Amino acid sequence: ETGVTQTPRHLVMGMTNKKSLKCEQHLGHNAMYWYKQSAKKPLELMFVYNFKEQTENNSVPSRFSPECPNSSHLFLHLHTLQPEDSALYLCASSPRVGFQTRPQHFGDGTRLSIL
Amino acid sequence: GESVGLHLPTLSVQEGDNSIINCAYSNSASDYFIWYKQESGKGPQFIIDIRSNMDKRQGQRVTVLLNKTVKHLSLQIAATQPGDSAVYFCAENGGGNEKLTFGTGTRLTIIP
Repeated sequence: ETGVTQTPRHLVMGMTNKKSLKCEQHLGHNAMYWYKQSAKKPLELMFVYNFKEQTENNSVPSRFSPECPNSSHLFLHLHTLQPEDSALYLCASSPRVGFQTRPQHFGDGTRLSIL
Repeated sequence: GESVGLHLPTLSVQEGDNSIINCAYSNSASDYFIWYKQESGKGPQFIIDIRSNMDKRQGQRVTVLLNKTVKHLSLQIAATQPGDSAVYFCAENGGGNEKLTFGTGTRLTIIP
C-alpha cells in the first residue's frame, strides 16, 4: 500500500460540476501539498499545508479550494473548472523537522478531465 | 524566476549500460536537491537526494553528483534494467525548506 493515497484515480466532470479530490497519507508527516502536472510542463505547486495551516497559495484560481482537516488528510474542492484545468493532480506529504528540506512523497494522482 | 532545466528531454540506453541524466539549476541559494522517477500512470517516486554540503551521494545502483561551481546535478544509474524506463525529474529547494522547483523531466528508455 502506498504511503500517500489519492482518490479518485480518474475524474471526468463538466465545467458546471462540483467535485472533490481526496488525499490521505499514512506516513506520519505534517506537511501536505497539491501539485498540478500538465503535459510537457514542470510540476506546478498549488498549495502547501503545515500542521493543518495553509502556508502557500501559489496564485491558484479560486475555483480550486483546498481543505486540510488534519495532518493526514487533504482535499481539493473543484467548481466551475475550465478545460485548461484538465491535468494530473498530485498530492504529496513530507515531515517538517526543523528547517531542513525533507523529501516529499507523492501519491499516484487524480487524472482530471474537464468536458 | 529561477528554474530548473534538463539538458536532454530523452535518453536511450542499452540494457546493462550505465545511464547519466543531467540537470542544470540556476538558483544559487538552493541547498537541497532531489531526484524523482515517474513511471507511466504513477506519481513521482523519490530516488535520492543531496544537500549542498556534499558533492556526491550513493544509493542502491544510483549516484547523485552535485557541482555547485557550475550549478549542475547529475543522476547516474548503474547497470540499467528495463524497470528503469521512466521519466526522471530533478528538483531544488531554492534555499527554502518546503517548496521544490521541478524540471520538465528526461524520459529514459532502456533498449533490450
